[in-house]
Amino acid sequence: QQQVKQSPQSLIVQKGGISIINCAYENTAFDYFPWYQQFPGKGPALLIAIRPDVSEKKEGRFTISFNKSAKQFSLHIMDSQPGDSATYFCAASVSSGSARQLTFGSGTQLTVLP
Amino acid sequence: KAGVTQTPRYLIKTRGQQVTLSCSPISGHRSVSWYQQTPGQGLQFLFEYFSETQRNKGNFPGRFSGRQFSNSRSEMNVSTLELGDSALYLCASSSDFSGNTIYFGEGSWLTVV
Repeated sequence: QQQVKQSPQSLIVQKGGISIINCAYENTAFDYFPWYQQFPGKGPALLIAIRPDVSEKKEGRFTISFNKSAKQFSLHIMDSQPGDSATYFCAASVSSGSARQLTFGSGTQLTVLP
Repeated sequence: KAGVTQTPRYLIKTRGQQVTLSCSPISGHRSVSWYQQTPGQGLQFLFEYFSETQRNKGNFPGRFSGRQFSNSRSEMNVSTLELGDSALYLCASSSDFSGNTIYFGEGSWLTVV
């Protein structure tokens, strides 16, 4: 019930295209949904995050869409650039007392072709 | 503002040895958590500390332990290393009491031979 399922495992997009990564969860207690971007040799960097009381959040070219009833959320990268090529992880967390732990999806390796 | 700093960045250990990894959180952050990243298992939560107290623990054997000091710096220790412990160990810190926004360091690459 703690799992977060992420798809696709890999994604190839042309420069200027839209990249879409999807995640689904089971635990309805999850109340925070961040996306992380990871480049080779680096730690994950927070990209954008959303809470279940909001259906969409946009920051620059990155948008999270959230569907609470379907227990799904997705990351859209508009006007994808070669510099966006990285591994993207969705995550979810639930307050356990006062603590939080992130449950991560399995990751999507995005390649943006020039 | 400096980010999360982890040392050492790379290390090689022999099976059966123990290892200690260090993490300095972002200044002012009191929550520190640790994650293990492997190609097969992905990113998995190890434990979280806040004000020197362990608040949460993942499903890892007792060989994995950690602690946090009064200055919020944290260490994790793995005893009796196994080949399967080879991984990237990531430390993350947060300023919120509930640990909402979590920032990661660049990790410590551990290879067990």
